[in-house]
Amino acid sequence: DAGVTQSPTHLIKTRGQQVTLRCSPKSGHDTVSWYQQALGQGPQFIFQYYEEEERQRGNFPDRFSGHQFPNYSSELNVNALLLGDSALYLCASSLGYRGGNSPLHFGNGTRLTVT
Amino acid sequence: AQSVAQPEDQVNVAEGNPLTVKCTYSVSGNPYLFWYVQYPNRGLQFLLKYITGDNLVKGSYGFEAEFNKSQTSFHLKKPSALVSDSALYFCAVRSDTGRRALTFGSGTRLQVQP
Repeated sequence: DAGVTQSPTHLIKTRGQQVTLRCSPKSGHDTVSWYQQALGQGPQFIFQYYEEEERQRGNFPDRFSGHQFPNYSSELNVNALLLGDSALYLCASSLGYRGGNSPLHFGNGTRLTVT
Repeated sequence: AQSVAQPEDQVNVAEGNPLTVKCTYSVSGNPYLFWYVQYPNRGLQFLLKYITGDNLVKGSYGFEAEFNKSQTSFHLKKPSALVSDSALYFCAVRSDTGRRALTFGSGTRLQVQP
């Protein structure tokens, strides 16, 4: 039973470029959330997708956008990269947007470095 | 708004001794509380959760946590620490109503010395 998988594992981009990160949820899960974890900090919520729609959004600018596909996989896109976007990007999946208390299952993340 | 405070950046404990990692929270409505552990260059692994019921929650790897509503705390505990428990621990909260995203604390690094 595959857990949450993310690709790529590492990425180096230049300021101003655009990046796309990918996530496949744990088998049986239908909800995907994205988090940004800067060095030495806790994960910060970016947004959550369910039924191919963005359901919730954290305090991130419009440069951060996403998508969920019919097979529940998801992409995170970041435009006009800034140095401050360098972080570990974590994808988490869960079952049922309205399920409430099911724990999130996290992937190992994509380490994005912006130079 | 919901928030989590982990007042200790690092906790040091000798192997075999009990450990406590502290967490306090603020949330509207009733809290759903979670503990996660993170090993280097890895994602977060779920340890345990409190939703309702018994204030003492048991989780993976011998960890447990005590929910205290009056003190708005959810401290993580283990009776006997192992060197392999050394990792970064995160407490997280969400409300049972409204916003459903988890809010995480800043993390506590647990160092267990042999």
